[in-house]
Amino acid sequence: DAKTTQPPSMDCAEGRAANLPCNHSTISGNEYVYWYRQIHSQGPQYIIHGLKNNETNEMASLIITEDRKSSTLILPHATLRDTAVYYCIVRVRGSGNTGKLIFGQGTTLQVKP
Amino acid sequence: DAGITQSPRHKVTETGTPVTLRCHQTENHRYMYWYRQDPGHGLRLIHYSYGVKDTDKGEVSDGYSVSRSKTEDFLLTLESATSSQTSVYFCAISESEGGSQPQHFGDGTRLSIL
Repeated sequence: DAKTTQPPSMDCAEGRAANLPCNHSTISGNEYVYWYRQIHSQGPQYIIHGLKNNETNEMASLIITEDRKSSTLILPHATLRDTAVYYCIVRVRGSGNTGKLIFGQGTTLQVKP
Repeated sequence: DAGITQSPRHKVTETGTPVTLRCHQTENHRYMYWYRQDPGHGLRLIHYSYGVKDTDKGEVSDGYSVSRSKTEDFLLTLESATSSQTSVYFCAISESEGGSQPQHFGDGTRLSIL
């Protein structure tokens, strides 16, 4: 699976959009981009994933550049409860692998009042 | 939230004792995973299962065994616990192993071995 690079930390004002970047310059055509977050002492929570197109769900939006070498997770109206470590992960699309998720260091997002 | 229950949530035990952690799911997903999370290492895969009685090793499987006799239950056993196995253990489930389906995680078991 391709390696990802994220800033170690970011701040965001409550009520504003939080934009979390991720670089995955070695991503292959059959690899998905996934985002998870982990709030202290809880299990990782799935947020969103995408292959080529931008995606939106009730939690967030995922913007993937046309060359697929980077992406941005957008939390449209951040709240204090969005304070967490956010992980960007790429996963191979096909079967035949262990399905292992490789979590890097992630970005610690601090939402401030 | 995905229907995943891990038990116990917390456990303290002594070196050399056997320990079994349970992961129970109500989603009827085929794939189940056990990870451990330690400071400086992130989450690491211990074992995974791709069906009833079908299991395989992950990257840190030494000292651990697993069993899956029913779709809904995946057990992780430490036959003789060591202090190096003090960790937070997470179970995850997925409909498929491929990248098109997400893994969903339980709330974890915090295990301390003294």
